[in-house]
Amino acid sequence: EVQLVESGGGLVQPGGSLRLSCAASGFSFSSSWMSWVRQAPGKGLEWVANIRQNGRAIYYLDSVKGRFTISRDNGKSSLYLQMNNLRAEDTAVYYCVWAEGTSSGLYFQQWGQGALVTVSS
Amino acid sequence: EIMMTQSPATLSVSPGETATLSCWASQNIGSTLAWYQQRPGRAPRLLIYGASTRATGIPARFSGSGSGTDFTLTISSLQSEDVAVYYCQQYSFWYTFGQGTKLEIK
Repeated sequence: EVQLVESGGGLVQPGGSLRLSCAASGFSFSSSWMSWVRQAPGKGLEWVANIRQNGRAIYYLDSVKGRFTISRDNGKSSLYLQMNNLRAEDTAVYYCVWAEGTSSGLYFQQWGQGALVTVSS
Repeated sequence: EIMMTQSPATLSVSPGETATLSCWASQNIGSTLAWYQQRPGRAPRLLIYGASTRATGIPARFSGSGSGTDFTLTISSLQSEDVAVYYCQQYSFWYTFGQGTKLEIK
């Protein structure tokens, strides 16, 4: 059974930092593209970042470039999202996602349960 | 940026009947379209990719069609468990989602 379990969410002040982790199991993590997708409260879905199997290709939503860093540890089957200089508009549930496809385009195969990040003073 | 527009915003259908959900892309995306179901309080679940290929474990009641700019998700023999918000997503150029269609049971 595929499992994606996020952790690290919480309340942080504007300008602060938070690191999300995602523990993956039940599939070949090291052979898979991985992504983060977020959903603001009561809103729709927004793609945030992708990382290739070997970590050498990384892509970001424009509004998080320079502030967020996606990374992975294939030995631990874990995905991470380091979020710095957080803004109120980053408040959302962040989903860890196993993505399928190629570097030309990915769809989102399996989703974790999500981690809530709240940016507020 | 490719914009995705879904219609209607809310759809109310009787049990056993068929629901038809529409999604339009602001430019030609070929067949690089996926559909997701998000039940209340749950994470999204992949239903369809490549515009018409059902994901693993998805019942045949769910079908996708279309290409280019116009796409449709059809749910036949509607059941109470189908109550959810349904999102389309293009993956032709970066990744964008529609705003969702909320499906209710009459």
